Amino acid sequence: GQQVMQIPQYQHVQEGEDFTTYCNSSTTLSNIQWYKQRPGGHPVFLIQLVKSGEVKKQKRLTFQFGEAKKNSSLHITATQTTDVGTYFCAGGFNNDMRFGAGTRLTVKP
Amino acid sequence: DGGITQSPKYLFRKEGQNVTLSCEQNLNHDAMYWYRQDPGQGLRLIYYSQIVNDFQKGDIAEGYSVSREKKESFPLTVTSAQKNPTAFYLCASSIVGRLSGANVLTFGAGSRLTVL
Repeated sequence: GQQVMQIPQYQHVQEGEDFTTYCNSSTTLSNIQWYKQRPGGHPVFLIQLVKSGEVKKQKRLTFQFGEAKKNSSLHITATQTTDVGTYFCAGGFNNDMRFGAGTRLTVKP
Repeated sequence: DGGITQSPKYLFRKEGQNVTLSCEQNLNHDAMYWYRQDPGQGLRLIYYSQIVNDFQKGDIAEGYSVSREKKESFPLTVTSAQKNPTAFYLCASSIVGRLSGANVLTFGAGSRLTVL
């Protein structure tokens, strides 16, 4: 079946360090979404990527969609304690959407 | 403010009991979804509904039931047939009524069910 693999499962960084999470699919995606879930909270939509090779930025967050539309990444520059939480990708297929398992980010002040 | 309201936030259940989780939205969204979240497993789809009086099974529908009698409401019943019901349950909605990566999901705050 259609699956989206996300790595790493956990990432612990010192405040100010960078962070990256990756998502991969064995089949071509129609698009990909990213969500953030704060501890004790619910997922909140961050962004959607649709085009091959697309790059979008939101302040310190950079989102990329691979040329083959099979992978994506979220990069946070100079992490802050407010970045803590779990980041999920959600890969879109023609009539389905699959969430990755998420990457849990902790930031040490 | 528009949003999704889930209740109760916390629920304890004895084995063998059915429980119903409420989900109400005032976003005028066509589609509604129920996801289950377990540690390290991401979000798994239980059921979804694209329009009123219609719903489809997701990947893990066994032991669950839903109804969609009103556009605003999509309650989930966790039945005694669900072998491992302890989890965090998330309700979501989207504008368009098709399960697709093009749909942006708005989530409720979730309901945490614990079976004693």
